[in-house]
Amino acid sequence: DTAVSQTPKYLVTQMGNDKSIKCEQNLGHDTMYWYKQDSKKFLKIMFSYNNKELIINETVPNRFSPKSPDKAHLNLHINSLELGDSAVYFCASSLKDAGLAGGKQETQYFGPGTRLLVL
Amino acid sequence: AQTVTQSQPEMSVQEAETVTLSCTYDTSESDYYLFWYKQPPSRQMILVIRQEAYKQQNATENRFSVNFQKAAKSFSLKISDSQLGDAAMYFCAYRSAQGAQKLVFGQGTRLTINP
Repeated sequence: DTAVSQTPKYLVTQMGNDKSIKCEQNLGHDTMYWYKQDSKKFLKIMFSYNNKELIINETVPNRFSPKSPDKAHLNLHINSLELGDSAVYFCASSLKDAGLAGGKQETQYFGPGTRLLVL
Repeated sequence: AQTVTQSQPEMSVQEAETVTLSCTYDTSESDYYLFWYKQPPSRQMILVIRQEAYKQQNATENRFSVNFQKAAKSFSLKISDSQLGDAAMYFCAYRSAQGAQKLVFGQGTRLTINP
């Protein structure tokens, strides 16, 4: 009955490789997010999708490409991994993005995170 | 752009006592939301409490309460009757009520509970 799930939980890979992280939510939310938490624990938004449409792209290198096949899924593909990509990546979801459709704000619920280590 | 500042990198408290974590933010908006999230060693981000800026009443959730001072742009978290399970990183976060709904986080405060 997990609300927001991510796979894998841990990912160790070599520099230059391409990897993907998957996220799924069963909360019926229509907005999903990717956040990055660096080694100093600082959390920063990367992307957000609402109903499969990209609405936030926070100056992330184009080696990072999010994909949302449907409202319940948001995947993150990373090309040509670099040492500096090592971090914990969190997926989150919420009910509605008021910027697009108005309405009641909803809290963002987070997945368990994926710890990525690039060697 | 909005910013969130948590000026206490670390705090400690004796079990069963009360502790207050500080958070200030900077915004020119009048309508927004504020949150406290807890991140235990398991690294799961857990919502502790939320506050709507248009509400004057401070939010409370069991042992957790906030002191929301809109004019001062301050949003502190009070934990009463601290328990060992409260040990975690605590993050204050801001979310605009307009436009893109990203969370802007503070740097976090590591809370230690001493038995």
